[in-house]
Amino acid sequence: GAVVSQHPSWVICKSGTSVKIECRSLDFQATTMFWYRQFPKQSLMLMATSNEGSKATYEQGVEKDKFLINHASLTLSTLTVTSAHPEDSSFYICSARNRGADTQYFGPGTRLTVL
Amino acid sequence: GEDVEQSLFLSVREGDSSVINCTYTDSSSTYLYWYKQEPGAGLQLLTYIFSNMDMKQDQRLTVLLNKKDKHLSLRIADTQTGDSAIYFCAERKGSYIPTFGRGTSLIVHP
Repeated sequence: GAVVSQHPSWVICKSGTSVKIECRSLDFQATTMFWYRQFPKQSLMLMATSNEGSKATYEQGVEKDKFLINHASLTLSTLTVTSAHPEDSSFYICSARNRGADTQYFGPGTRLTVL
Repeated sequence: GEDVEQSLFLSVREGDSSVINCTYTDSSSTYLYWYKQEPGAGLQLLTYIFSNMDMKQDQRLTVLLNKKDKHLSLRIADTQTGDSAIYFCAERKGSYIPTFGRGTSLIVHP
């Protein structure tokens, strides 16, 4: 089946630093990748959608200068949380979908803790 | 109200059947999904159903769709402790991005 990986699985950083999270589709070409944020006991909040080779489309209320998304290849998308603050602490999950596919496949998530 | 609604908790005894319910508002939804999330992990696609189907069965899982009432259910037969997780219902219209419910925490006790 389709496998999506994320790296790192968890990260702790100091306030003010930047953190990069990678999302890779291992056995298929992901023309579209999605980045979600999940708060405890809550559903997934879509942050942005990225199509390979083009700029990401951000959801309302998500700061594009704070959450930088790059989808440079058909197998890799990155989310960079710039100048992280404690309120950015969360579980970030990516998912990937191939063009015309019915479903999207999720990565295992990255737990970010900002001290 | 929310576009996709689920009850937040369900508790069942091991060996019994679990039924997780979901309602959605968009009558033009074309795909409906069930995902499972175990603690500290991402979402695992369990099954999905096209809107022109009424039922789909896959081993212990049975999905029922009542399109008239916009109601989707997931039945897990012979529920095991390993089934304890959060189950998300999601709906998608065409090429649009799926909308997820808030998830139902399934607790299986001996």
